[in-house]
Amino acid sequence: AQKITQTQPGMFVQEKEAVTLDCTYDTSDPSYGLFWYKQPSSGEMIFLIYQGSYDQQNATEGRYSLNFQKARKSANLVISASQLGDSAMYFCAMREGYGNNRLAFGKGNQVVVIP
Amino acid sequence: DGGITQSPKYLFRKEGQNVTLSCEQNLNHDAMYWYRQDPGQGLRLIYYSQIVNDFQKGDIAEGYSVSREKKESFPLTVTSAQKNPTAFYLCASSTDLRELFFGEGSRLTVL
Repeated sequence: AQKITQTQPGMFVQEKEAVTLDCTYDTSDPSYGLFWYKQPSSGEMIFLIYQGSYDQQNATEGRYSLNFQKARKSANLVISASQLGDSAMYFCAMREGYGNNRLAFGKGNQVVVIP
Repeated sequence: DGGITQSPKYLFRKEGQNVTLSCEQNLNHDAMYWYRQDPGQGLRLIYYSQIVNDFQKGDIAEGYSVSREKKESFPLTVTSAQKNPTAFYLCASSTDLRELFFGEGSRLTVL
């Protein structure tokens, strides 16, 4: 069974608008971590934000925030005030347990920011 | 500057040849990871190592081998037994469970 599901089709977003990228996950482990990465066309994976399963507050990092809904097993990424440089693939990933940082990745969401 | 260096960036290989992808980090991270990415797909874990001289198979280890003789180095060998090796390979490292940092990747094409 897929551990991370990202099913949105490619998205076009107007510059300066906010965009929400959906991510649902599946785990029976009470201890887990959720990550979002950005992959521009150059291929590198850029870490954006992390949310631990026991974190009380939703994570925020600058223009990125994570809407963590534990009961729904949902970890949506919100990008506020989109910029042209935000055009990229975005991947949601999950670590289960605390033994190591091996991550399971979703298939990604394509975002294109238009002026 | 601290970071993860992967080389080569592009590599072409004939069928039946082994190739080795280099991954070096100067972040003093204990754990290192190799992932594979196919077009339009997410990343899949090949091997990982949490400490020098120790490594574990990930989800798709068949046809690959690794070594971890030094903390800063985690080379990946794509052997001739790997049936479909053309892919983008990403190396990563971490010392904290809240972060995983990636190199810029190596793109392998089998001719």
